[in-house]
Amino acid sequence: DQQVKQNSPSLSVQEGRISILNCDYTNSMFDYFLWYKKYPAEGPTFLISISSIKDKNEDGRFTVFLNKSAKHLSLHIVPSQPGDSAVYFCAASGTGAGSYQLTFGKGTKLSVIP
Amino acid sequence: DAGVTQSPTHLIKTRGQQVTLRCSPKSGHDTVSWYQQALGQGPQFIFQYYEEEERQRGNFPDRFSGHQFPNYSSELNVNALLLGDSALYLCASSTSGPSTDTQYFGPGTRLTVL
Repeated sequence: DQQVKQNSPSLSVQEGRISILNCDYTNSMFDYFLWYKKYPAEGPTFLISISSIKDKNEDGRFTVFLNKSAKHLSLHIVPSQPGDSAVYFCAASGTGAGSYQLTFGKGTKLSVIP
Repeated sequence: DAGVTQSPTHLIKTRGQQVTLRCSPKSGHDTVSWYQQALGQGPQFIFQYYEEEERQRGNFPDRFSGHQFPNYSSELNVNALLLGDSALYLCASSTSGPSTDTQYFGPGTRLTVL
């Protein structure tokens, strides 16, 4: 069973507009969440993270929102730029057994159209 | 400051052979994790090494084994290769500590099994 789900395989956004990428999780033991960006032929690059004690974390154009009751998080990119075109992965880690591993979603391919 | 490095970049093997992949962690990091990313999927956790020992293991068979050296670099070994082992193998490094430490990824090794 997939514990981290990214239900949108792809997303297209006009340059300058907001990109919103969504992620849902099922494991209530998860308490730390990360977003990674991946270009073809490269490894995932860390973007931004959020701990479960917060509901928002901001870094420049990137903001992550966490809704613990809904087990949902989202990444907002404002304004979107063509260089943001990549695959975005949501990942989670937690306490207890399995606490050292990251569990990833399948990714969302973002295309920012100039 | 060098990031995570992996070698080789690409590798082609035949079924039944054995392969060794190598990883050097980011400077200042002492923990190495390995992930397998199949086409169209998110990375899946194989195992994590800390203090030269396997600290945690994901749902992978014993054909997958690893090693960590005193300088924190690591190797991933896969025996009796199967066609299904074809994937991008990613190494990630982090500092020891609580599960909230961010993992930084290398560019990966693309393994093709024929």
